[in-house]
Amino acid sequence: GEDVEQSLFLSVREGDSSVINCTYTDSSSTYLYWYKQEPGAGLQLLTYIFSNMDMKQDQRLTVLLNKKDKHLSLRIADTQTGDSAIYFCAENYGGATNKLIFGTGTLLAVQP
Amino acid sequence: KAGVTQTPRYLIKTRGQQVTLSCSPISGHRSVSWYQQTPGQGLQFLFEYFSETQRNKGNFPGRFSGRQFSNSRSEMNVSTLELGDSALYLCASSQGLPYSGANVLTFGAGSRLTVL
Repeated sequence: GEDVEQSLFLSVREGDSSVINCTYTDSSSTYLYWYKQEPGAGLQLLTYIFSNMDMKQDQRLTVLLNKKDKHLSLRIADTQTGDSAIYFCAENYGGATNKLIFGTGTLLAVQP
Repeated sequence: KAGVTQTPRYLIKTRGQQVTLSCSPISGHRSVSWYQQTPGQGLQFLFEYFSETQRNKGNFPGRFSGRQFSNSRSEMNVSTLELGDSALYLCASSQGLPYSGANVLTFGAGSRLTVL
């Protein structure tokens, strides 16, 4: 089935690291994505990882993929108040399509 | 480079009416996808168009329809509106070439529909 799960809420202090977790279901997904949504805005692509990779680093962002457990995580180093937003993981359903299955979203609150 | 433009940004309709939402993709992008975002159901895929053809459709009733024009602009239509159709409707565009790597979608800011 199509089900991507995330924890609903994460609160961190400014300067700490944030880790947002996601579990997905479709083992045929070729790419997995992380999107950010700020209030009143659309979705902004942060990063993505190919399914045969274990890790991808992009400046303050680190994505870890455990394909065996279908677990994806996004680590934000040195979290800033501007990182406060809702974060969505997403998978390509069935591989080669623009249809994405999104997770439930994690609200990240950064305390100054 | 202009981003994905959605119009209108906000609109209010009453039950039973119909609504048309418009999306202008990034120049050169040939694929347009639509998503519905609600607090209860989250982000759900509506449909995807590539070169004026519907390539994929989500699990929505026939009241939801869409189309794509030769300039890649897309519209979606919802007929006989219900209260549950109140949502943020997001459009995303991509270059749209299948099987060519990551499907990098660029989203618009959305059209917020309220049905009274």
